[in-house]
Amino acid sequence: GAGVSQSPRYKVAKRGQDVALRCDPISGHVSLFWYQQALGQGPEFLTYFQNEAQLDKSGLPSDRFFAERPEGSVSTLKIQRTQQEDSAVYLCASKLTLGRGQSIAQETQYFGPGTRLLVL
Amino acid sequence: AQSVTQLGSHVSVSEGALVLLRCNYSSSVPPYLFWYVQYPNQGLQLLLKYTSAATLVKGINGFEAEFKKSETSFHLTKPSAHMSDAAEYFCAVSDQGTGTASKLTFGTGTRLQVTL
Repeated sequence: GAGVSQSPRYKVAKRGQDVALRCDPISGHVSLFWYQQALGQGPEFLTYFQNEAQLDKSGLPSDRFFAERPEGSVSTLKIQRTQQEDSAVYLCASKLTLGRGQSIAQETQYFGPGTRLLVL
Repeated sequence: AQSVTQLGSHVSVSEGALVLLRCNYSSSVPPYLFWYVQYPNQGLQLLLKYTSAATLVKGINGFEAEFKKSETSFHLTKPSAHMSDAAEYFCAVSDQGTGTASKLTFGTGTRLQVTL
């Protein structure tokens, strides 16, 4: 497929369990973003990758959250010792260029369908 | 720091009526502005964006938005609502910079209901 894909689409975890959420960006996209969307809220920025380099992790809510993109394509967001407040939809987005592109298509962040995490 | 305020968490219109979803932003630098739509259990889809070219931006599905710097607004409109427009709409802002500066700051969303 040509779009951003995420897996799993739904995840139920017991409190204290570790989870791993996967994002497959559009092939060739340099920039990759993770966002967290709590129920009834807008998405909030978590972290940003430029190829394999994690350049901004200022939005990660605690040191239980860890993200990686080792080969500059697929990214994984890992949450250790999950808590109930981690329940949310986790969205991944990819973008072709680093910033000012040559066309609107290059400037656009394309979002995946998200992973809905429920921590019991 | 940037922020977005969407007035009205729920808006209800009749089919065929004008749609107006309000968005005001705060940014210390010239912004890029976006409207995204989210259907149930789906990701965000870009409707339109402002990137400092024309202040009136036309998007998909008949939507348009006008950037008004003096009012720090970027309201979304559609002349005639259709049942398929029922969804959650998010306004977002980013810097015009590179890399992480292009991260999006979203509003809390407006749920549009379209009635017969």
